[in-house]
Amino acid sequence: NAGVMQNPRHLVRRRGQEARLRCSPMKGHSHVYWYRQLPEEGLKFMVYLQKENIIDESGMPKERFSAEFPKEGPSILRIQQVVRGDSAAYFCASSLQSPAREQFFGPGTRLTVL
Amino acid sequence: AQSVTQLDSHVSVSEGTPVLLRCNYSSSYSPSLFWYVQHPNKGLQLLLKYTSAATLVKGINGFEAEFKKSETSFHLTKPSAHMSDAAEYFCAADTGGFKTIFGAGTRLFVKA
Repeated sequence: NAGVMQNPRHLVRRRGQEARLRCSPMKGHSHVYWYRQLPEEGLKFMVYLQKENIIDESGMPKERFSAEFPKEGPSILRIQQVVRGDSAAYFCASSLQSPAREQFFGPGTRLTVL
Repeated sequence: AQSVTQLDSHVSVSEGTPVLLRCNYSSSYSPSLFWYVQHPNKGLQLLLKYTSAATLVKGINGFEAEFKKSETSFHLTKPSAHMSDAAEYFCAADTGGFKTIFGAGTRLFVKA
């Protein structure tokens, strides 16, 4: 059973470009969570999604950030018009049920904005 | 509001000596608590979890943690550190909703 997959592992963008981060949950998991980790900080919750639904996006910045988890395919975290402050590691986690008693994390996508 | 506080940003121990990583939580009810480990450029791996069963929880790689409600603590310990334990450790709490709240992390250094 493959774990949580994220791609790309590293992403470099120039200011103003768009960044798309993908997350494939573990097989059978229908709950996906996105977290952001800034340098020297812990993980900050961004958004929680089930298939085709955003359940809680209270941690998402109000502008430029969006997330989806379509019926088919991976979950996508999209950042429009990236700025240097968006540089961080973005982690996806999935769980079998919610409220989650255990989340399984992907390896993360490290976004660098030049 | 729920919060998780890791009391040390860095801990340094010698190989073979005990490890203590401290975590305090603030919650209006008894949360589920977790310890995760993160090796450089890797994702988080669950070490152990407390879910209101036994207060002393044993995890992988010889780690264990004790839930103390009176102290609102969930400290992580290991009797004897190994070089491979050098990593970042995160304490986390399940808020009972959809979010897991993470502490800021403790970086463990192990000296030969």
